[in-house]
Amino acid sequence: EAGVTQFPSHSVIEKGQTVTLRCDPISGHDNLYWYRRVMGKEIKFLLHFVKESKQDESGMPNNRFLAERTGGTYSTLKVQPAELEDSGVYFCASSQDGRPSKYFGPGTRLTVT
Amino acid sequence: QKEVEQNSGPLSVPEGAIASLNCTYSDRGSQSFFWYRQYSGKSPELIMSIYSNGDKEDGRFTAQLNKASQYVSLLIRDSQPSDSATYLCAVNDRNTDKLIFGTGTRLQVFP
Repeated sequence: EAGVTQFPSHSVIEKGQTVTLRCDPISGHDNLYWYRRVMGKEIKFLLHFVKESKQDESGMPNNRFLAERTGGTYSTLKVQPAELEDSGVYFCASSQDGRPSKYFGPGTRLTVT
Repeated sequence: QKEVEQNSGPLSVPEGAIASLNCTYSDRGSQSFFWYRQYSGKSPELIMSIYSNGDKEDGRFTAQLNKASQYVSLLIRDSQPSDSATYLCAVNDRNTDKLIFGTGTRLQVFP
């Protein structure tokens, strides 16, 4: 069984540019979560999808962040325009039943210069 | 006050010893508690979950929960160099499915 995958693994962009991160959850997992770890800080929740619906987006930092999950399969997280403080590692996790996930993706390391 | 607090470490223990990792949380209504292990540059991996007061054992790992003291711990018996990693404590927000993480404790097991 394939695990949670994320693309790209690394992204380096300039301030003001746009970046789109992708997460493919484990097949059949309705619940998809985005988390972020800024250097030196704890992993923080961004949002939670159940299928294609946003169940909880209370952790999204501001309106420069847009998450989608069309068709309830993979999800994208777009940052537009990127700022320096957006740098960090973005993790995606999925679960079948909404319980905290065993399955985290490898993360996307975003560097904004 | 942080919602989930952990000592950042590093905690250094010799091979074969017991490693004791501690975590406190602020929301008294929290119901579910988790320990994740994260190797450098890798994703977090769930190793233990605990929901009720007391101890829960799984192999070399024991999770301990004391809701009255708002305290969770993880004991690793017979520590191995391969246990060297960052251990993240996480608490389930009682109103949602989201996890609230501590900053993690770095464990170093030396031969």
